Amino acid sequence: QQQVKQSPQSLIVQKGGISIINCAYENTAFDYFPWYQQFPGKGPALLIAIRPDVSEKKEGRFTISFNKSAKQFSLHIMDSQPGDSATYFCAATKGGNTPLVFGKGTRLSVIA
Amino acid sequence: KAGVTQTPRYLIKTRGQQVTLSCSPISGHRSVSWYQQTPGQGLQFLFEYFSETQRNKGNFPGRFSGRQFSNSRSEMNVSTLELGDSALYLCASSLFPGNQETQYFGPGTRLLVL
Repeated sequence: QQQVKQSPQSLIVQKGGISIINCAYENTAFDYFPWYQQFPGKGPALLIAIRPDVSEKKEGRFTISFNKSAKQFSLHIMDSQPGDSATYFCAATKGGNTPLVFGKGTRLSVIA
Repeated sequence: KAGVTQTPRYLIKTRGQQVTLSCSPISGHRSVSWYQQTPGQGLQFLFEYFSETQRNKGNFPGRFSGRQFSNSRSEMNVSTLELGDSALYLCASSLFPGNQETQYFGPGTRLLVL
């Protein structure tokens, strides 16, 4: 049973455009929702994270939008750059000592 | 500050063999988690260690095991390798269990089982 569903599987965006990746979760006990960025040959790196007490969090060009009632959250990358080309993973956890549950990833390609 | 280091980076084994992977956490980090990453299943949690004790275990068969040493370094072992065990094995360290905000991943060990 996949607890976090991520879409799309791959995404091609023009330089300067907005990249949007969506995730949906099932477990209402989840209370921490991070996004990770992974470049080839590297491990995932924490990009930005949100807790359900806010509906949006912005860090530079990266924004998480969170919809608690719909059990969905999304990553928006504004002014996408070729250097943003990577695989992005959403994840969720219900805190305490529970491990992260990851989406299956989105391969983003930003083309000039 | 050095990051999470994993050795070896690449490994080729044949079915039926066993393998041991090593992870050195960031200095001061006492919790180590292991994940398996495959194209089909994505990132799946294997287990987490803290203070030399397994604190959490994912849904993997008993062929997958691990341990943590007093210096927080961790090893994972896979016995009787199967073709489906081919994957990138990632180690992540954090200050303490469940502290995802301080969790950093290593570059992984890519295992190929022939």
